[in-house]
Amino acid sequence: QKEVEQNSGPLSVPEGAIASLNCTYSDRGSQSFFWYRQYSGKSPELIMSIYSNGDKEDGRFTAQLNKASQYVSLLIRDSQPSDSATYLCALKDNYGQNFVFGPGTRLSVLP
Amino acid sequence: EAQVTQNPRYLITVTGKKLTVTCSQNMNHEYMSWYRQDPGLGLRQIYYSMNVEVTDKGDVPEGYKVSRKEKRNFPLILESPSPNQTSLYFCASSLSLGGGTGYTFGSGTRLTVV
Repeated sequence: QKEVEQNSGPLSVPEGAIASLNCTYSDRGSQSFFWYRQYSGKSPELIMSIYSNGDKEDGRFTAQLNKASQYVSLLIRDSQPSDSATYLCALKDNYGQNFVFGPGTRLSVLP
Repeated sequence: EAQVTQNPRYLITVTGKKLTVTCSQNMNHEYMSWYRQDPGLGLRQIYYSMNVEVTDKGDVPEGYKVSRKEKRNFPLILESPSPNQTSLYFCASSLSLGGGTGYTFGSGTRLTVV
């Protein structure tokens, strides 16, 4: 059974702090991992993708992947109220046949 | 502009009245998919298509049909809608399933079946 798990939150952080969002997955053969941001009532938008173990940085966002421990995380530095949204973790399964989404973590950045 | 276009954005219909939600992408993407999103249940895949004339069921296909006659279009058909199909629907496309390309999502269709 392919599963992606996330803490549903809400995760509350003060403005300017680092927000840390975590995701674990069960399919050890998963190869590609994605983070999406979704504002309430809007469509998900792709923030970052990561395929190799380690860190990948893009502006205020850093994705971290550890395939041995089967987790992927997203760090948001200098969090802003505009970062308040639900963050979806997703992966492509081992056979490349499909995307699998986690339930999402709701982030609230407090001014 | 590269995009996935869904229509309509909002739809209220009555039980049993057939409807179609259209989805079109202008990025020459091979892979297209339909999801529904309900509070507390996250994104659930309805159907997906690997390419023209190739479709397959997702996790919740009951009550839905799709077709992929052209690469750019992937309509979602509800032959006899029921109130439990009231949901927020998203169409999404990806260049392919190989490699690291993610989804581009449409703006969503909020469907209410009364």
